Amino acid sequence: DIQMTQSPSTLSASVGDRVTITCRASQSISTWLAWYQQRPGKAPKLLIYKASSLESGVPSRFSGSGSGTEFTLTISSLQPDDFATYYCQQYKSYSAFGQGTKVEIK
Amino acid sequence: EVQLVESGGGLVQPGGSLRLSCAASGFTFSYYSMNWVRQAPGRGLEWVSYISSSSRTTFYADSVKGRFTISRDNAKNSLYLQMNSLKDEDTAVYYCARDTFAGSGPNWFDPWGRGTQVTVSS
Repeated sequence: DIQMTQSPSTLSASVGDRVTITCRASQSISTWLAWYQQRPGKAPKLLIYKASSLESGVPSRFSGSGSGTEFTLTISSLQPDDFATYYCQQYKSYSAFGQGTKVEIK
Repeated sequence: EVQLVESGGGLVQPGGSLRLSCAASGFTFSYYSMNWVRQAPGRGLEWVSYISSSSRTTFYADSVKGRFTISRDNAKNSLYLQMNSLKDEDTAVYYCARDTFAGSGPNWFDPWGRGTQVTVSS
């Protein structure tokens, strides 16, 4: 099974900050990776697929990069709506999620 | 508007059974594979199961294999999850999520339903 590990688990940041979240796969998954945002009490929302493709309607401050085993999600200028938990997901072999990264207000 | 609405959750004793449903609308249900994903209280997301558009292919997480069965009825635009031999650790919000393609295994999921709560407790 492919394991996904995100870092950090929690991130404290301020509005306007540039934020980077890392996701590592236990084996190569090429670019079979997606990123989701989940606000408290809500369903996850797709942000990025194929590691770097921005879902329609998602603000351009979100971007994804990486391939193989290491991936990043970057928020170029953090906005109030962005304080949430973010998950990576591999779909190279079945599916698995990272444990999540909570972005909280500093 | 594309919409997924889960139902069927509730409180069940360990060893019991429950059947979840997911009603789809706003898109051609028979064209898409579907998934169930769960989230235990205060925890992260866990993929549970996948079914292809034709029901020909199904996959399960090891944690539920042999106990849960995914199915669908394309005529009723509905997805199901039959959960048997439930354990305390199955307590979670269960989401249905539309896959990207018709088959070939899970891809990225969009959209997701709002979820239904399953609590396994004596």
